[in-house]
Amino acid sequence: QKEVEQNSGPLSVPEGAIASLNCTYSDRVSQSFFWYRQYSGKSPELIMSIYSNGDKEDGRFTAQLNKASQYVSLLIRDSQPSDSATYLCAVNPGGYNKLIFGAGTRLAVHP
Amino acid sequence: DTGVSQDPRHKITKRGQNVTFRCDPISEHNRLYWYRQTLGQGPEFLTYFQNEAQLEKSRLLSDRFSAERPKGSFSTLEIQRTEQGDSAMYLCASSSTDRGPLGEKLFFGSGTQLSVL
Repeated sequence: QKEVEQNSGPLSVPEGAIASLNCTYSDRVSQSFFWYRQYSGKSPELIMSIYSNGDKEDGRFTAQLNKASQYVSLLIRDSQPSDSATYLCAVNPGGYNKLIFGAGTRLAVHP
Repeated sequence: DTGVSQDPRHKITKRGQNVTFRCDPISEHNRLYWYRQTLGQGPEFLTYFQNEAQLEKSRLLSDRFSAERPKGSFSTLEIQRTEQGDSAMYLCASSSTDRGPLGEKLFFGSGTQLSVL
């Protein structure tokens, strides 16, 4: 079992719709969770972090964390073609000073 | 300081040659990480430093790989006797422990794309 799992996609949504990206993780004691966006040929860029159960909103982005179910999700409202990228879920496993990344979900927003 | 910088951006080498990459982290960050990423995969942890001390090294990292951070500032990653399987994007990231124990917000450089022919 992979430590961080994501659906590879592609997830295709029309412009203006809500994109929902999901991630599950295996380490129950994980404390910190992150979403990175990566455009093709570029390096990952941090867009959201979440540490507590519930929702955290930042502009058009909402991160959701459910530690009991071991999943974290990212919602992108009013999706734009410029949101088309790969979204990487990253988890800080308990007791370790590093991030473990999922393989990423490719999002395609079409006009 | 505008962020993490890596050099070179691209490296093409022949199998069996040695290569060295450099990373300059964000100046106030005391932690420095090396990750490797292949097409369609997420970044894979290789090693990290806190100041000049190398605190963890992935079991996946063979003896051909070595990293240093001699003065706690920039870091180098050397790959000896390169193999075609080493072809990947090598990413450097930095973070600050001043953010406390609740997170490791990593800020990535642009990466070095290695192609081994």
